Amino acid sequence: GAVVSQHPSRVICKSGTSVKIECRSLDFQATTMFWYRQFPKKSLMLMATSNEGSKATYEQGVEKDKFLINHASLTLSTLTVTSAHPEDSSFYICSADVPGAGAYNEQFFGPGTRLTVL
Amino acid sequence: DAKTTQPNSMESNEEEPVHLPCNHSTISGTDYIHWYRQLPSQGPEYVIHGLTSNVNNRMASLAIAEDRKSSTLILHRATLRDAAVYYCILRDTSGTSYGKLTFGQGTILTVHP
Repeated sequence: GAVVSQHPSRVICKSGTSVKIECRSLDFQATTMFWYRQFPKKSLMLMATSNEGSKATYEQGVEKDKFLINHASLTLSTLTVTSAHPEDSSFYICSADVPGAGAYNEQFFGPGTRLTVL
Repeated sequence: DAKTTQPNSMESNEEEPVHLPCNHSTISGTDYIHWYRQLPSQGPEYVIHGLTSNVNNRMASLAIAEDRKSSTLILHRATLRDAAVYYCILRDTSGTSYGKLTFGQGTILTVHP
């Protein structure tokens, strides 16, 4: 199956700093990637849909100025948590669809990034 | 978004079959039924998906009710590595929610040696 990677796997930062998380499709080109957030013992919550070459579509309640998403190439999407605060500490996961299959097939997930804001 | 209902938890013994139920009474004709599982501190892993007919792959089988209002994920011989949270999700293939996966709470599967 297709492989999605994330970097870093975990990051600790001070409150007020910005953190960038990368999501890469390793063996396929992804026109659409998705970003999720997961709090401890909770389910995944979709944050936004990242579209290559255009602006991301954010879910209701997600601050677009807080969580900046850039999908500049067909293999890379980045999520930047700006001015991070302790409440932003979470497990961030990206995913992608294999092009051509769209919503009719499975979605491939990255391993996740654990963000801890002190 | 069409929602699914799953039991909070289930238990099984190793090498026994496991049947994980999912109710989705509000499913629409364009929704595909997807199953993913997640181990602690890992991203979800695709298990299986289907539309109307039962499906089999190397990991599991998916039995879909004739009216599509429920489905069952079948693990034929559970192993300790199958212990995970299993999510049943309806994936929209049309409309404003196209392509999105909306995760519910899932079923925590415990496998006993």
